[in-house]
Amino acid sequence: DAGITQSPRHKVTETGTPVTLRCHQTENHRYMYWYRQDPGHGLRLIHYSYGVKDTDKGEVSDGYSVSRSKTEDFLLTLESATSSQTSVYFCAISDHPSDNYGYTFGSGTRLTVV
Amino acid sequence: GQSLEQPSEVTAVEGAIVQINCTYQTSGFYGLSWYQQHDGGAPTFLSYNALDGLEETGRFSSFLSRSDSYGYLLLQELQMKDSASYFCAVADNYGQNFVFGPGTRLSVLP
Repeated sequence: DAGITQSPRHKVTETGTPVTLRCHQTENHRYMYWYRQDPGHGLRLIHYSYGVKDTDKGEVSDGYSVSRSKTEDFLLTLESATSSQTSVYFCAISDHPSDNYGYTFGSGTRLTVV
Repeated sequence: GQSLEQPSEVTAVEGAIVQINCTYQTSGFYGLSWYQQHDGGAPTFLSYNALDGLEETGRFSSFLSRSDSYGYLLLQELQMKDSASYFCAVADNYGQNFVFGPGTRLSVLP
């Protein structure tokens, strides 16, 4: 059991369409995160959650929304996809971020907006 | 806000020692982490330093100097499988989330 799974792994979508990415965990961790990774930018935080229905924005949240209705699932929605949102999206989980275990990342979702 | 700087690329030979530096600017500091990412893979956690000094985990060590806003990752007895990108990250927002550096691509040559 991987502990954290992302779906889909790959997606191609058209500009202007809504897209939802799913992150599912079986670790019962409190914190869940969505990052995007682009060449030259490292990983940039989009949104994160510190509990059910508790979410906050990261540095690149424009154009994205999230929801967490239960501990194990954290959804990222692109309301109207744009080409600038073509990226690799990583979900991460943590029991508490500032401990010696760090984040556990999912395998990523490669999203292409055409 | 936070900003981090790392060298973009480092090259070394098998069996050598390499040091990857990270400098940061932060409005509040809660810790420095290091992650490894192989091409096409997910980042994996290597180490976390909340206090000054050296933390050793096998062939990898991580160092932090809070007064200098500086840390490094030290990789010893380099192996080909260590070829990857390495990211430093500082804890933000009272430690609730991490801001990542741009990454350093390490190439290990035979």
